[in-house]
Amino acid sequence: KQEVTQIPAALSVPEGENLVLNCSFTDSAIYNLQWFRQDPGKGLTSLLLIQSSQREQTSGRLNASLDKSSGRSTLYIAASQPGDSATYLCAVTNTNAGKSTFGDGTTLTVKP
Amino acid sequence: IAGITQAPTSQILAAGRRMTLRCTQDMRHNAMYWYRQDLGLGLRLIHYSNTAGTTGKGEVPDGYSVSRANTDDFPLTLASAVPSQTSVYFCASRTGPNTEAFFGQGTRLTVV
Repeated sequence: KQEVTQIPAALSVPEGENLVLNCSFTDSAIYNLQWFRQDPGKGLTSLLLIQSSQREQTSGRLNASLDKSSGRSTLYIAASQPGDSATYLCAVTNTNAGKSTFGDGTTLTVKP
Repeated sequence: IAGITQAPTSQILAAGRRMTLRCTQDMRHNAMYWYRQDLGLGLRLIHYSNTAGTTGKGEVPDGYSVSRANTDDFPLTLASAVPSQTSVYFCASRTGPNTEAFFGQGTRLTVV
């Protein structure tokens, strides 16, 4: 059974800092890994999708990496802003039936 | 705007009552999913459908049923609601297991 862990559970940083969120998974037989953002009381917004054959993806100030062999992914946020405050979730889609497993998320607070 | 629509947004339901949560997508995605999100337990897959006419059980299917009569709609039914089904329910869709997943805004259900 796939297990996904996100560390830390919560993170508070001052505005302008660069930061890294971590995601680890136990089963490397994956199609892809996807990072999401969730604001309080809202749905999930897709940030980046990394295919199993890829090492990284970039979108604006966000960069996600994937090391499938070690079961790890990182989400790098450059020059953080208060508007980045949210919960960040990673999800791994396994090759078995294409089902996804989510981590519990990292709640980020960026202080002005 | 293309995307996923869930209805209702929120609902208070008496225990023992039957309830159907609606999910419609206009992206012609083959695969659709229902998740529940609970504090401390994260997002858990209830049921999924890889294509119209087929459905499968996720991690927590008991007490729920789904149908997929066409590509666009994927309703989730609680035959006889119980308080433990109090949760936020999210519908998601994607073209296939190797593509980006998109989420609806959620239905907040309280069973009393």
